[in-house]
Amino acid sequence: NAGVTQTPKFRVLKTGQSMTLLCAQDMNHEYMYWYRQDPGMGLRLIHYSVGEGTTAKGEVPDGYNVSRLKKQNFLLGLESAAPSQTSVYFCASSVRGSAGEQYFGPGTRLTVT
Amino acid sequence: GIQVEQSPPDLILQEGANSTLRCNFSDSVNNLQWFHQNPWGQLINLFYIPSGTKQNGRLSATTVATERYSLLYISSSQTTDSGVYFCAVERAGGTSYGKLTFGQGTILTVHP
Repeated sequence: NAGVTQTPKFRVLKTGQSMTLLCAQDMNHEYMYWYRQDPGMGLRLIHYSVGEGTTAKGEVPDGYNVSRLKKQNFLLGLESAAPSQTSVYFCASSVRGSAGEQYFGPGTRLTVT
Repeated sequence: GIQVEQSPPDLILQEGANSTLRCNFSDSVNNLQWFHQNPWGQLINLFYIPSGTKQNGRLSATTVATERYSLLYISSSQTTDSGVYFCAVERAGGTSYGKLTFGQGTILTVHP
């Protein structure tokens, strides 16, 4: 049981390039989330999903897109990366939304130059 | 949106000391969680505690929902307790999707 995994662990992009971050969970959780963490700050919610085929905007969605084609996977896309998107990205999952714990992946450190 | 304030921002302890971390929030919540981010960046869920008291080994947490605060107690601290402690909440009355708002965190350093 691997829990929540994220790919890749590190990435450096040039401004304007695109990329996709992959989150996978093997706990059969319905709810999945993408957060970003900037230096000295707590995490902020980018997008979330309440089940396969659903996505919704969080607190800071601009510049990102997401997809949840399979229950176990939640993809975060950057279509045209900007230096302001340099951050550590965390994926999380939960079995019951507000009624349970969230479990986090190890994070992806993204630098946009 | 809901405001989450954690105190103190920094805390330095000697091994074996006890500590209390506080989380104040500005509105009613239906979800409150405490996390520990270790020095390698991994976030570990410590407690899901929208109300009441829970204990897990040397750690315990209490949430007084009516007064809008939560406390995390660490007893007999160890160097492995070092890291950042986050409180995160979801405002009650909206959707119950687990959309957490995080505080700024308390940086704990435990010296041997």
